[in-house]
Amino acid sequence: EVQLVESGGGLVQPGGSLRLSCATSGFTFNNYALSWVRQAPGKGLEWLSTITNSGSNTYYADSVKGRFTISRDNFKRTLSLQMNSLRGDDAAVYYCARARMGTTFAFEIWGQGTMVTVSS
Amino acid sequence: QSVLTQPPSVSGAPGQRVTISCTGSSSNMGAGYDVQWYQKLPGTVPKLLIYTNNNRPSGVPDRFSGSKSGTSASLAITGLQAEDEADYYCQSYDSSLSGSVFGGGTKLTVL
Repeated sequence: EVQLVESGGGLVQPGGSLRLSCATSGFTFNNYALSWVRQAPGKGLEWLSTITNSGSNTYYADSVKGRFTISRDNFKRTLSLQMNSLRGDDAAVYYCARARMGTTFAFEIWGQGTMVTVSS
Repeated sequence: QSVLTQPPSVSGAPGQRVTISCTGSSSNMGAGYDVQWYQKLPGTVPKLLIYTNNNRPSGVPDRFSGSKSGTSASLAITGLQAEDEADYYCQSYDSSLSGSVFGGGTKLTVL
């Protein structure tokens, strides 16, 4: 069974940092692009970042460019999102998602999400 | 304000057909980039309904169909059921943003 399990969410002060992880199982990890998507309370889905299967290409939304860094460890089968300079509008449920085979941005499998709260 | 524009809400009675539009531009769908559609029920994770414009993943009922033409796309749902009440999002790649983008979402109400 394909599984994505996020961890690392929690409460952080404005200006602080947090590192999210997404542990995966059930598929050939280095065959698929992976992404982070978030949903703030009462808001829609927002794409944040994508990393290709080899890790050679990364993409970022303007809202997080320069503050967030996506990475993957193809040996540990883990996706990460390093989040720095967090702001109040970064509070959301953060999902990792696996692309459909042969695509980069068709998000086929989703984790259950991890909540990030930004507050002093 | 997303570069992909969806109506905030649509509604229909059980058994009816509804469509949800997604309007983009020459930097996303108009440039030939594919569109996906997702269903998000309250308290659940998003579900991929349609990929590469008009393809359904296994397990998605054929009541759901997608189409794309020029700078716009549509999701059609036939034989509307109460369980279809959810938020629906279109998504594509945008070359001017050099990344992916979701539409603002459409809330479907089954009357």
